[in-house]
Amino acid sequence: QIILRGSGPTLLKPTETLTLTCAFSGFSLTSSAVGVGWIRQPPGKALEWLALIYWDGDKRFSPSLKDRLSVSADNSQRQVVLTLIDVDSVDTATYFCAHFTYPYPGSEAFDSWGQGVLVTVSS
Amino acid sequence: SYELTQPPSVSVSPGQTAVIPCSGDNLDDRYTSWYQQRPGQSPVLLIFQDTERPSGIPARFSASNSGGTATLTISMTQPIDEADYYCQVRVNSPPAVVFGGGTKLTVL
Repeated sequence: QIILRGSGPTLLKPTETLTLTCAFSGFSLTSSAVGVGWIRQPPGKALEWLALIYWDGDKRFSPSLKDRLSVSADNSQRQVVLTLIDVDSVDTATYFCAHFTYPYPGSEAFDSWGQGVLVTVSS
Repeated sequence: SYELTQPPSVSVSPGQTAVIPCSGDNLDDRYTSWYQQRPGQSPVLLIFQDTERPSGIPARFSASNSGGTATLTISMTQPIDEADYYCQVRVNSPPAVVFGGGTKLTVL
């Protein structure tokens, strides 16, 4: 059974750095054709994709946020870390981590999601 | 940048069939996934690779992808199906994952 659990601060001030951790179990991030993604959802709004980290270490970032995002993985610790620098009120959202697979190129689908972490950015 | 377009809302009567479209450029050249998100919950994968259902997803949920539009069909709709539904694809230029704007399904 795949389980993911996100954790991190719930309140930040503008210009601070958001660091979120996704602890996972039930899979290995070194297994072929798997990865972990980050998705966020502002209150009352749609899902917005942020980043992917693949089993082979490859990373992809949202074009609109790539200058502020970084992601890393530690399979031995079974965790993935997302960092978003210089946050602002528009970054207020619930942040989800999710396991994905891609049997074929371009077939990435998020099949297990964490519970989400509500992060509020306010002065 | 690539965009997926969904209607903001769809209404259906209990027991009837709900159809939720998702349109995008050359969408039938891409693999589409669909997610259900009930209020206050994390999304759940309903469909992957255009038409495939994960284990545990009822057969009432089906999907297709042709002619630039992916379509999620919910047969014999139940009140429990009231939720937001999102389509999603992976694109390459630039490399990204894209979600549709979501469709709120009302069962009344």
